[in-house]
Amino acid sequence: QSALTQPPSASGCRGQSVTISCTGTSSDVGGYKYVSWYQQHPGKAPKLIIYEVSKRPSGVPDRFSGSKSGNTASLTVSGLQAEDEADYYCNSYAGSNKVVFGGGTKLTVL
Amino acid sequence: QVQLVESGGGVVQPGRPLGLSCAASGFSFSHYGMHWVRQAPGKGLEWVALIWYDGNDKYYADSVKGRFSISRDNSRNTLYLQMNSLRVEDTAVYYCARDDGYGRSDFWGQGSLVTVSS
Repeated sequence: QSALTQPPSASGCRGQSVTISCTGTSSDVGGYKYVSWYQQHPGKAPKLIIYEVSKRPSGVPDRFSGSKSGNTASLTVSGLQAEDEADYYCNSYAGSNKVVFGGGTKLTVL
Repeated sequence: QVQLVESGGGVVQPGRPLGLSCAASGFSFSHYGMHWVRQAPGKGLEWVALIWYDGNDKYYADSVKGRFSISRDNSRNTLYLQMNSLRVEDTAVYYCARDDGYGRSDFWGQGSLVTVSS
């Protein structure tokens, strides 16, 4: 099980938009609609913010959106706010009841 | 409200065993699969294991297969992770998380730190 590939860092100014990519293979991201995204602030547990590629759990602002094309999923954060500064992780179902995470992206809000 | 509380972490020597527990409340524990996910210091998340709602099926990451064992007691609303033959590279915060289908973890505990060191 190889980790999904995410850029180590991303940044954007307050009010702008930023997109984080998550690249896998046809055996995980490309093969299933089960891609999730998690937000993790320092010292805290991860929080689910996107599931099934583009769905938002209750309470997650609609500034967070997800998409997928082929073997790459993407998370877009629009209207960046200071509290969006955090680490973001993707994960994907990888068949046979296995799960794989991305390496994580540190988002900085300038 | 859903609560997951891990316990049992600590410092252990390489090669020794250690067990973690995760006490669940606020939902029907016996209806959900459960994951263990770990995070080494300063590193990303790594999926460790999954157990089905009834405990009949268990799945492991290759990195822990044969050394770690996931189990649950639905009568006690508790999830377990028995870790044997621990290695320095197993040092991490271990989170338990509720599975909401196909690897989606919708609720997480606060984590329990396991340090493997001589």
